[in-house]
Amino acid sequence: AQKVTQAQTEISVVEKEDVTLDCVYETRDTTYYLFWYKQPPSGELVFLIRRNSFDEQNEISGRYSWNFQKSTSSFNFTITASQVVDSAVYFCALSFTGNAGNMLTFGGGTRLMVKP
Amino acid sequence: EAGVAQSPRYKIIEKRQSVAFWCNPISGHATLYWYQQILGQGPKLLIQFQNNGVVDDSQLPKDRFSAERLKGVDSTLKIQPAKLEDSAVYLCASSLGRGAGAFFGQGTRLTVV
Repeated sequence: AQKVTQAQTEISVVEKEDVTLDCVYETRDTTYYLFWYKQPPSGELVFLIRRNSFDEQNEISGRYSWNFQKSTSSFNFTITASQVVDSAVYFCALSFTGNAGNMLTFGGGTRLMVKP
Repeated sequence: EAGVAQSPRYKIIEKRQSVAFWCNPISGHATLYWYQQILGQGPKLLIQFQNNGVVDDSQLPKDRFSAERLKGVDSTLKIQPAKLEDSAVYLCASSLGRGAGAFFGQGTRLTVV
């Protein structure tokens, strides 16, 4: 069985603060993919990043960075110098490769509020 | 590149009525998903298509929900009859396939009263 846990249901920060969103996953598969999605108030899920289970290199994209640690089954997401536009619900997701496509299992989401 | 298109954006119906949602995936994406997102929760997969065949529908309440993907492109999701607990956002997503990211439409917000 697959499971994704986002323990932080809601985080509030002041603009320009750094913030880290935690994601812990469970899977028996040796090959899998991890994702982060952003859901702004408009409701659409926006794809942010994909990571495969064989690539533990951390990744940085502008103010966003991701820390994948297989040893602790975690895939954490950090926003540096947060901005009000970062306010959204962020979902971590896990998929396995046993099927023709991805069957994404989502965590419960973390609502990030960035105050000016 | 055009994204995943869904319609309608909003729908309000009375319980026991029927409703249908439409999805047009990104061109060339063989995999199509329907997800249900209840307020305050993460999306839950209802059904996954690969071209016009069903890959997984284990979480689809088949007594009232049905979905089809004719010709392996557009898809419709139907609820008949609707219940109050079906109130949610229904998200359609598409993907190139194994290992690729899934791209989501804006969703249809359904309210059953």
